[in-house]
Amino acid sequence: EAEVAQSPRYKITEKSQAVAFWCDPISGHATLYWYRQILGQGPELLVQFQDESVVDDSQLPKDRFSAERLKGVDSTLKIQPAELGDSAMYLCASSSLFPDTQYFGPGTRLTVL
Amino acid sequence: QKEVEQNSGPLSVPEGAIASLNCTYSDRGSQSFFWYRQYSGKSPELIMSIYSNGDKEDGRFTAQLNKASQYVSLLIRDSQPSDSATYLCAVNWGSGGSNYKLTFGKGTLLTVNP
Repeated sequence: EAEVAQSPRYKITEKSQAVAFWCDPISGHATLYWYRQILGQGPELLVQFQDESVVDDSQLPKDRFSAERLKGVDSTLKIQPAELGDSAMYLCASSSLFPDTQYFGPGTRLTVL
Repeated sequence: QKEVEQNSGPLSVPEGAIASLNCTYSDRGSQSFFWYRQYSGKSPELIMSIYSNGDKEDGRFTAQLNKASQYVSLLIRDSQPSDSATYLCAVNWGSGGSNYKLTFGKGTLLTVNP
């Protein structure tokens, strides 16, 4: 069964350092999403790609976060510099245009010290 | 602001009982509705999707949708300890295709007691 791949699974970093997360969506899925989930909350969308284009990054803190999907397949989310409040689970999901069901990867648990 | 509200829980049921999870949403134009299960420390796993009014059954799970009342629910029959998890309600809105946005509720923690 096809799955969304993410790495690393866990990341511990000190504040002011740079971190990067990688996601490989299900093959053939044109839409890719990055979410942030804080403990006790539902996932919140950070950025959405359609192929290599950004569809929505309105909730992405652009002063420190960046995301790219250069060839329209895998994607990287970067935080520079990391802050204590960035500690969370970072989830990647993908979907085809129809049906619109989103499938999640295993996530990256980020801890900023 | 699109909102999805869920019972805050936690919800505790005995093994073998029916667990009922509820969700309301604010956007009347929403067309797609999803239930995800999330075990502690893990990522959300799709359980059910529902697009039309009425009931949709899959094994022990039944999703119910009432668009007029802007209400969607999930029933888990014959609850098992392995069903203990947080259940996330998610609602899709937007003009379609790549413009779909998924809004999640905060989740309801379900505990099934042996």
